[in-house]
Amino acid sequence: TVMTQSPATLSVSPGERATLTCRASQSVTSNLAWYQQRPGQAPRLLIFGVSLRATGIPARFSGSGSGTEFTLTISSLQSEDFAIYYCQQYNSWPRTFGQGTKVEIK
Amino acid sequence: QLQLQESGPGLVKPSETLSLTCSVSGGSISSASYYWGWIRQPPGKALEWIGTIYHSGATYYNPSLNSRVTLSIDTSRNQFSLKLSSVTAADTAVYYCARLGGGHSYFQLWGQGTLVTVSS
Repeated sequence: TVMTQSPATLSVSPGERATLTCRASQSVTSNLAWYQQRPGQAPRLLIFGVSLRATGIPARFSGSGSGTEFTLTISSLQSEDFAIYYCQQYNSWPRTFGQGTKVEIK
Repeated sequence: QLQLQESGPGLVKPSETLSLTCSVSGGSISSASYYWGWIRQPPGKALEWIGTIYHSGATYYNPSLNSRVTLSIDTSRNQFSLKLSSVTAADTAVYYCARLGGGHSYFQLWGQGTLVTVSS
């Protein structure tokens, strides 16, 4: 299953809302996760099961969607949120990731 | 708190075998609840799933790596390992080990990663 993320880069001002999209080449039902990767760090799980926040993840991160189209929304961007975000499907083998969306400061 | 730590050579010659170990602390690798996996990331590129292993030894591999990958698990040492044979420059990447969430699904906890460069 090919995962396609858009846009490749998103320029947002601190405090603004960011909306990231992930599309699957076939249905992944609700088996979709989102990760955040800050520069020089390992990825961190944000969301699993489309909309369930991982332990310790702030409420400003939310996920939605089903089937083939999914959205990660960051309601009010903080300085620590500027990073690369990846989606991943775990509905079929092999497990696949999107190419990432970089959220940068506008 | 569970922690994962990758270890192994940072430089491997072309055609040789890359070998990495992930040491797990703060929890048992034998837990029936979890699977364990490897993911890699070439410099400046996206993430690629390599394979997943259960404490029983059951394994799942990415077909793109063909038969070059072997995962193993050592419950007595609380470690699991990756071997990737016949490496080329295209295998240069940061290699991460991780604990999966419920079932063999998403990657819940990650190691810090280790850069492996393939070069003569």
